Formats: sequence, C-alpha cells, structure tokens
Amino acid sequence: EAQVTQNPRYLITVTGKKLTVTCSQNMNHEYMSWYRQDPGLGLRQIYYSMNVEVTDKGDVPEGYKVSRKEKRNFPLILESPSPNQTSLYFCASSPQPTGVNQPQHFGDGTRLSIL
Amino acid sequence: SQQGEEDPQALSIQEGENATMNCSYKTSINNLQWYRQNSGRGLVHLILIRSNEREKHSGRLRVTLDTSKKSSSLLITASRAADTASYFCATATINDYKLSFGAGTTVTVRA
Repeated sequence: EAQVTQNPRYLITVTGKKLTVTCSQNMNHEYMSWYRQDPGLGLRQIYYSMNVEVTDKGDVPEGYKVSRKEKRNFPLILESPSPNQTSLYFCASSPQPTGVNQPQHFGDGTRLSIL
Repeated sequence: SQQGEEDPQALSIQEGENATMNCSYKTSINNLQWYRQNSGRGLVHLILIRSNEREKHSGRLRVTLDTSKKSSSLLITASRAADTASYFCATATINDYKLSFGAGTTVTVRA
C-alpha cells in the first residue's frame, strides 16, 4: 500500500532532550516536506527536500533540522526542543522534485508535547 | 507566511445541502489545491487547479479559481455526514517550491 509513515505518532518529552521524528515513504517520491499544524494557523511548512541531499527552509525552520540521505526517508530533528514546538507535525511527499505542482501525500501525523 | 485564507472559519449544514467555502490568497500562484482533514488524521488531497484553469470537478466537488480576484471556492454538493471535516486550501507560488496553507474551514454536516 502506498503510504507515508511517521513515527512516533505521539510523544511527550521534556525541554532540551533531543528527539527525532522519522518519515518514510514507499512511493519513490522525489519531494518530501515537513509541516506543523497549530490551532488557527493551519499548516506551516518547516523544511522541504527536492531530492537526496537537497533540502531547503520553509516558512518556520527555526529550531529544526532535517536530512535526506536516502530518497525514502526524511527525518525531522529537534536538537533542543522547547515548549513552543508543541504541535501536530505532518510529513508529506509528492512524485516530482517540484513537488508543489502535484498533490501531496500526507502521513497521519505526530503529536509532540514538550514540557 | 500564510498565503491562503479560508472563509468562513466554520460551517454547519444539514445533510443533503450544499456547502461552499472560499479561499483568498495574496500573490500570483502556479496552482491551488484543496485538502480535507478528518479529525486527528492526515490531510487528503481533493483537487488541484492550475492557474490557467477556471473550474474543475471531481464527483460532488466543484472548485473554481478566479486569478483576477485571487480567490477560489470549493463547493460540496448533496453533503453527507462523512463530509464532516476541516477543509484547507493551499497555494504554490511561481518560482517557489513551498506550499502555503490557510487556516481551514471546519464543516459539520448534521444528520
């Protein structure tokens, strides 16, 4: 089944403790991205990647890192999480490098709570 | 930055009625997309309309795009309880590889 898989789905952690949210897609998509969703703000793009080893900032990249060493994986790293990063996070992918010109396939989300 | 803004923020209708929601945006776009999000789930793509298109249909969904007014509308006809969800528009601007979402319209369909 074609899908975007995020792990973990839920995480409660403390300020400053490094964490990684994994994202994996099995559709051989070139474009992958991370979003955070906050009430009243919709989704805001954190980082995106047009291909292996090619990443760029979205609208809210501060406090986050990403890497794209393999086409299928695009982990989101919070080196020193803070409470303002408590949010619902989504990973998405689409077939072509210019991914925004095609429908995005979303994962089911990761709810992070930073205490 | 938030490019698209949906209106209304919330909508409550009776089953069988039509639901219309609007999206306005600020800068020139390459395409505009509509997504649905059921409570606690990921977003599901509904329709993509390119800047040179004016109208698209998919089943009970109809999307219009007016680039002169920088606005789009999503019409759901003959609504069902299963249409209860949040609906988001997202815009892809020219020469950019970012997708900008609005805050969404929450639709409740009453049985």
